[in-house]
Order: sequence, then C-alpha cells, then structure tokens
Amino acid sequence: EPEVTQTPSHQVTQMGQEVILRCVPISNHLYFYWYRQILGQKVEFLVSFYNNEISEKSEIFDDQFSVERPDGSNFTLKIRSTKLEDSAMYFCASSEATGLASYNEQFFGPGTRLTVL
Amino acid sequence: GENVEQHPSTLSVQEGDSAVIKCTYSDSASNYFPWYKQELGKRPQLIIDIRSNVGEKKDQRIAVTLNKTAKHFSLHITETQPEDSAVYFCAAKRSGGSNYKLTFGKGTLLTVNP
Repeated sequence: EPEVTQTPSHQVTQMGQEVILRCVPISNHLYFYWYRQILGQKVEFLVSFYNNEISEKSEIFDDQFSVERPDGSNFTLKIRSTKLEDSAMYFCASSEATGLASYNEQFFGPGTRLTVL
Repeated sequence: GENVEQHPSTLSVQEGDSAVIKCTYSDSASNYFPWYKQELGKRPQLIIDIRSNVGEKKDQRIAVTLNKTAKHFSLHITETQPEDSAVYFCAAKRSGGSNYKLTFGKGTLLTVNP
C-alpha cells in the first residue's frame, strides 16, 4: 500500500539555523499539507498546498515558514530561522483530488521530530 | 475558526469492555469528521470517518455517531482488545472552496488492560 514518507525522522538544530523537512506524498495525490504537534499538545494545521500554490495557511505559518514542490515527487517545509518553540513533530499529509475532494482521506507520513537547541 | 474539544484525555478499560470518546466542534460549517488512531511512534491512521449527512456509521467493532444540532460526535469501540491501545484523535473539516484543513482534538490515550 502506498505511504507518505518523510525524511529525516529526527532533526536536531541550533536556534537560528535553517531546516528543510522533506516529504514524498503518495504519487497520485494532488493536495499536500503540513501539520505539527508540540509534545503533549494537539495536532495543528500549518499549510495546505494545491496546484503549486498555497491554498490556506494558519497563523502559525508566518514568514519564517515556506513550502515548495521542487519536483514531481517531493514536498518540502523550510523554516528559515528556527526558534526554540519550533520544536515539535512535523507531519506531512496528502490526499486525492478525485470525487468530492473535501471528503478525501488525508494520509499522514510518519513525522519528523524537530529539536531546536 | 474551528475549535474541537475532545474528552477524556485518558481512558483505561478492561479487555472486552466498550470505550467511548467524545468530541465537540464549534463551526457549524464543518461537514466531515474523521477519527485517527496513532500507535506509539507511528503515523496517525484513519480508522473511520463520517459526513454531516449521516448520523451514524459502523465498521465492525468501531462506530461513530454525529449530532449536528448539538455539534458533537463520538467514537465507540466495542469488545476492546489490547491492540486497540493507542492515542485516538478526532478532527473536523469544513466544506467550501479549497479549505481542506483538519482541526484536531487533543487526543485520547486509550489503554486496554488484558
């Protein structure tokens, strides 16, 4: 069964450094998302991406964050200057664009644990 | 924006008992309500979902009920087994445009004791 994959599984960085989290969505999916989960808290929406542009972003997704689909398979989240409070598990997800897209299941990747020191 | 509250935060049951997890949502425009199961160290996986035009949906030992008027929905697991132990998240999604973001509850840690 196809799965969303993410790399790395764990990233440790110094405050102020840039990080890029990578995701490979399921191949026939056209909607992509990033969520994050701070330890012990709820999963929070960051951004959705469709047709090579951001379709929605949350207030968490400020100018320090950006997303990109650099080729036909990867979907990346960049944090330009990491802060301590960016430490969290970051989940990528993807969903199909067939039928009633708003009802399509979002498939999650295994996550990247980001630790900012 | 949407706000989803989930209760309880932890739930411990004996094997074979039933477990019920409840969620409430605030946005009346929400029309899709999935439940995800996350085992320790693994990705969240969809176990069941319900659309707003349906009041109840069942899949073997798992069922979800939705009360649109009261804006709450619940997950019911019957004949629980130790492998049901995990964190369960409810979520809500509103309709319209390209707004497909999921708003999650805080999660319920379910422990099924053998």
